[in-house]
Amino acid sequence: HLQLQESGPGLVKPSETLSLTCNVSGGSISSSSYYWGWIRQPPGKGLEWIGNIYYSGSTYYNPPLKSRVTISVDTSKNQFSLNLSSVTAADTAVYYCASDTSGYYYFDSWGQGILVSVSS
Amino acid sequence: EIVMTQSPGTLSVSPGERATLSCRASQSVSSNLAWYQHKPGQAPRLLIYDASTRATGIPARFSGSGSGTEFTLTISSLQSEDFAVYYCQQYNNWPPLTFGGGTKVEIK
Repeated sequence: HLQLQESGPGLVKPSETLSLTCNVSGGSISSSSYYWGWIRQPPGKGLEWIGNIYYSGSTYYNPPLKSRVTISVDTSKNQFSLNLSSVTAADTAVYYCASDTSGYYYFDSWGQGILVSVSS
Repeated sequence: EIVMTQSPGTLSVSPGERATLSCRASQSVSSNLAWYQHKPGQAPRLLIYDASTRATGIPARFSGSGSGTEFTLTISSLQSEDFAVYYCQQYNNWPPLTFGGGTKVEIK
């Protein structure tokens, strides 16, 4: 059973880049057919999918965020990362990393989440 | 983009009672639908995938049904640990993957 843990700064200034890392344990991030994803939840709102990265490195992003999002994998550290540029207050949210080990685009393991606030 | 709509927003249920949660898709998602349970401060947990298949370790009191645009999550006899927010998610047409707005199941 995979375990995922998000890490990164809890406060980011407007216009800067939000950078988070998800550490994966209990399995290899290079496992064939696995997807790794980021999802967020603004305060008082529902879940919003940000994007996925396939084990091969292919990426898929939510269209409204696509121009600002980069998801990457670091196989040497068994981690994957999220960069979200030009943030505004609307990007304040709890950010979750998650895994899809079925390859069918639902998430079977999630991290606990990390609250990131955008404020000067 | 496929819009997922959940109802009701809040469901008040007594322990031991049955809870029925609904999820509607703006267009057919076949059976490509998952349900998650989310408690405050915790990681969301996958309950159901492919509309009706329970994930590993999920108790039999949780069941999912439906296909196309109408889906239901039923909790047959609510336990204290089941009070949470429940989300549906479609994975038939993506990007984007989309979630419903959630149903909060609270103690009556």
